[in-house]
Order: sequence, then structure tokens, then C-alpha cells
Amino acid sequence: ETVLTQSPGTLSLSPGERATLSCRASQFVLSNYLAWYQHKPGQAPRLLIYRASLRATGVPDRFTGSGSGTDFTLTISRLEPEDFAVYYCQHYVSSRQWTFGQGTKVEI
Amino acid sequence: QVQLQESGPGLVKPSETLSLNCNVSGFSISSGYFWGWIRQPPGKGLEWIGSLYSRGGTSYNPSLESRVSISVDMSKNQFSLKLTSVTAADTAVYFCARDLEGGWPHWGQGIVVTVSS
Repeated sequence: ETVLTQSPGTLSLSPGERATLSCRASQFVLSNYLAWYQHKPGQAPRLLIYRASLRATGVPDRFTGSGSGTDFTLTISRLEPEDFAVYYCQHYVSSRQWTFGQGTKVEI
Repeated sequence: QVQLQESGPGLVKPSETLSLNCNVSGFSISSGYFWGWIRQPPGKGLEWIGSLYSRGGTSYNPSLESRVSISVDMSKNQFSLKLTSVTAADTAVYFCARDLEGGWPHWGQGIVVTVSS
């Protein structure tokens, strides 16, 4: 079973700043099956990035996913007030198993 | 566009079975994709529970596998979750979702389930 470790646990930034979130997998991620989500209280998670670097429908281009192998990054180029939330990475393997990281909170 | 809606009891007694349905509209489950259940306990992160592939097969989180089953009713275009022998640790917001290339772009609004006597 692949374990995803996200860092940092909390990121304290201001609007307009750049946010860099890390996700490290305990095993090689085949076919870049790595996704990123934004989650706000009382809402369903929102898929931002899938296959490591593909933006989901309607996601602003300030959100960029990168990486391969075991190390992946979500970059938010300029934080908007609505971007303060918890972010999760998630991995899928062909044995039909999905795993989430523990989350990174982006706070003001 | 595909829409998902969870339904079921919001309160379940310890040791009993949690049963939830996910009603799907705007897309036929039989057309393909993975359909899954994901939960978030209070103050914790997201946890994948299990999934079914509409053309056959289910998969479950190893930590829950002995207590979970997911099934589909194509005639109602809905899929269901059963979790047996629940404890307070199963208290969570439960979401149903549909996948796309390993990610989950489509989610229900979530349903709060509390395990308490």
C-alpha cells in the first residue's frame, strides 16, 4: 500500500503570495496517477489536478501540478482569498486502490 | 452533467449496519467509470472506503474490507454502501463520487452519519 506524506502540515501565507505544497509517495507512482484536491468546510472536495499535471474543468491556471515518480508538487502562483483551504493529494493504483495524503492547510 | 446525491439515516447505533445510497442523475452508471465512497471523520482527513466499476468488480480499503460492501442497482441508477458493526470511529461525513483517470471530479454534497446509542 502506497503512503502519501504531505508537507508542510500548515502553510501560513498572505493573499498574492506563492504557495508550494509537497506530496511524497512511499512507492513509485505509475502513469502519474496523482491528483490534488481543495477542500473547504461544509463542502465536497474539489478536484484541481489529475494525472499529476492536468487541470480539471474550470480550475484557474494559477494552480499548477508537477512532479513524477515519488515526488509531486502543487503550486498556487498567487493566492486569492478563496484559496485558503485544506489541500489533499491522492494516488490511484491499477489494483483499484485509492489513497489520500493527510492534507496541508493553507491559512492566512 | 452528472450529479450525485447521498441518502440514508443520519444516526446509527453502535454494532449496527450503516446503509447509504447514492442516487446518480445526468449519467448512466452502466456507461462506465468507477463509482466510490469516501469519508471524512470529524477533524480528520479524507479516507477512501471502496469503489465499484460499473462493468464489474469492487475494491475496498484494506482497513475496512471485512466490514464493507458496495453494490449497484442499475434500474434505479444508484449504488449503495453497507458498513457493518459500526463504532464511534465510523462517525463521519460520507461522500459518493465518480472518477476520471484516477481522480474524483464529481462528488455528492455529503451526508453526516453519527454512530451513537
